[in-house]
Amino acid sequence: SQTIHQWPATLVQPVGSPLSLECTVEGTSNPNLYWYRQAAGRGLQLLFYSVGIGQISSEVPQNLSASRPQDRQFILSSKKLLLSDSGFYLCAWSVGGYNEQFFGPGTRLTVL
Amino acid sequence: SQKIEQNSEALNIQEGKTATLTCNYTNYSPAYLQWYRQDPGRGPVFLLLIRENEKEKRKERLKVTFDTTLKQSLFHITASQPADSATYLCALDLYSGAGSYQLTFGKGTKLSVIP
Repeated sequence: SQTIHQWPATLVQPVGSPLSLECTVEGTSNPNLYWYRQAAGRGLQLLFYSVGIGQISSEVPQNLSASRPQDRQFILSSKKLLLSDSGFYLCAWSVGGYNEQFFGPGTRLTVL
Repeated sequence: SQKIEQNSEALNIQEGKTATLTCNYTNYSPAYLQWYRQDPGRGPVFLLLIRENEKEKRKERLKVTFDTTLKQSLFHITASQPADSATYLCALDLYSGAGSYQLTFGKGTKLSVIP
């Protein structure tokens, strides 16, 4: 069966510090991968998606970036965090682009 | 612009009753619509997907309808239980530019089932 892992579960970082969040998927090949952010009182916002290794599409301009170095690994990064980057970050995968998505447990990021 | 609206932020119902949640959308004709459940501090969990040519779909105590004329989906939980308390999200494939369609989520309705 397929599983999705995200770490860390929680993170507290100072403004201006770098960020690296990792997501890995097991039990499936060539999944579509997604990074979402959920801020307090707001809906899920799609940040990045990837249909294959090295292929990244960005949905919103921001100081975050994403990379997909391996088929089942998706990394979210920032060189310098802003206060507004605080939120609940979720990784998800799907088979193709028109099917249900399966979400990881999420990372709660607080930028102080 | 394209919009998804879940018109109740919160809904309280008595245990055993049927909960009905609404999802409306504007300025778009999606090929399908999905419903997810999200518990506090956790990622959403997929529940049901309904396509534009389907009027209704059922799964155990869950039922989803999709009215493309009204641009509305209704999500029903029959014989509701306290364990059904959660936030429910609807999601549509919306055009995100450059020939790309992505799943876009509503803000959700927080359902509380009172014993």
